[in-house]
Amino acid sequence: DAGVTQSPTHLIKTRGQQVTLRCSPKSGHDTVSWYQQALGQGPQFIFQYYEEEERQRGNFPDRFSGHQFPNYSSELNVNALLLGDSALYLCASSSTDRGRNEQFFGPGTRLTVL
Amino acid sequence: LAKTTQPISMDSYEGQEVNITCSHNNIATNDYITWYQQFPSQGPRFIIQGYKTKVTNEVASLFIPADRKSSTLSLPRVSLSDTAVYYCLVGDRNSGGYQKVTFGTGTKLQVIP
Repeated sequence: DAGVTQSPTHLIKTRGQQVTLRCSPKSGHDTVSWYQQALGQGPQFIFQYYEEEERQRGNFPDRFSGHQFPNYSSELNVNALLLGDSALYLCASSSTDRGRNEQFFGPGTRLTVL
Repeated sequence: LAKTTQPISMDSYEGQEVNITCSHNNIATNDYITWYQQFPSQGPRFIIQGYKTKVTNEVASLFIPADRKSSTLSLPRVSLSDTAVYYCLVGDRNSGGYQKVTFGTGTKLQVIP
């Protein structure tokens, strides 16, 4: 059983460009959350998707948007990239059926904005 | 959202028991306490979760006092491979999905040979 997978593993973009990151949740999971982790900091919650809708959102601008597909996979889109968007972007999946609210994290996508 | 406070760093020798305490004074009734471990350039990995009293699994124990304003992660007999950042977080469960959770800065544990 594959865990959470993310693609690509690394990405280099320039300021002003747009980027799309992808995530496939762990088998049996229906909820996907995205986090941004700057160097030396803890992960910061961006948003969460369940039933193809954004359910919760952190303090991130509208440049950050997402989507969840019927197969529960998800995309994170960032428009008009800034240097400060350089970070490790983590996807985490969970199941609404699980009693212990455990999130499984993927390995992340390292985004560098030049 | 309940904010958490942890020590920034801790050092321990191999074979010792390590206790990392987290403060969460504003924890809500529906909040669970969860601990994650993170190695460099990897996603966090779930360690343990609890609501009250004591929870134990194959890797750690979690102690939560009656007022739930703090919690202590206990790692028995640490090894060099336990060197990592440990995050304490609290979050509630709302209808239709998991919770909006907040990671703090974590505790960087350095295990010394």
